[in-house]
Amino acid sequence: QKEVEQDPGPLSVPEGAIVSLNCTYSNSAFQYFMWYRQYSRKGPELLMYTYSSGNKEDGRFTAQVDKSSKYISLFIRDSQPSDSATYLCAMSAGGNTGKLIFGQGTTLQVKP
Amino acid sequence: GAVVSQHPSRVICKSGTSVKIECRSLDFQATTMFWYRQFPKQSLMLMATSNEGSKATYEQGVEKDKFLINHASLTLSTLTVTSAHPEDSSFYICSAILSSYNEQFFGPGTRLTVL
Repeated sequence: QKEVEQDPGPLSVPEGAIVSLNCTYSNSAFQYFMWYRQYSRKGPELLMYTYSSGNKEDGRFTAQVDKSSKYISLFIRDSQPSDSATYLCAMSAGGNTGKLIFGQGTTLQVKP
Repeated sequence: GAVVSQHPSRVICKSGTSVKIECRSLDFQATTMFWYRQFPKQSLMLMATSNEGSKATYEQGVEKDKFLINHASLTLSTLTVTSAHPEDSSFYICSAILSSYNEQFFGPGTRLTVL
């Protein structure tokens, strides 16, 4: 079993839809949770960063962390064709290493 | 957000040659940088952790003599792929941690093609 599980998709939605992306994990030591967006042939771009449980909102993006269920989500409201990309969840136990464990990534396509 | 650059963005080389990739944190000091490789349609695979002024820590299965890492300053880490072979062709991405936070920022990646 992988430490972080993420459905690779692809996920196709119409423009304007609400998108829900999810990851589950097994390591209860994870405290830092991140969502990255990666366009084809580009490096990942940090979208959301959350420490411990709770919600965080930034514009059209909302990140949720439920540590009791070991489940994190990213919601995208009013999705746009420019949101079409691969979304990677990543998490870390913190400490000195800062080592991130990544999910496989979910490919999202927003159709005009 | 913090900016990380990589150079070159793309390199094509002959089998048996060595290739150096640079990773720079442009507007912050990074005591720790990471090197990843990514194959098509796959997630990032951590290769090594690079700490300024000390030896890199390699992940299991990564040959340290083949992938030489040097973290010479707080803003620069280099990855040298020695005696490159076609199977080393991949997308190499570096990242850096912003100071005392755990936010990790990625460079744009370097696409290596070994002929």
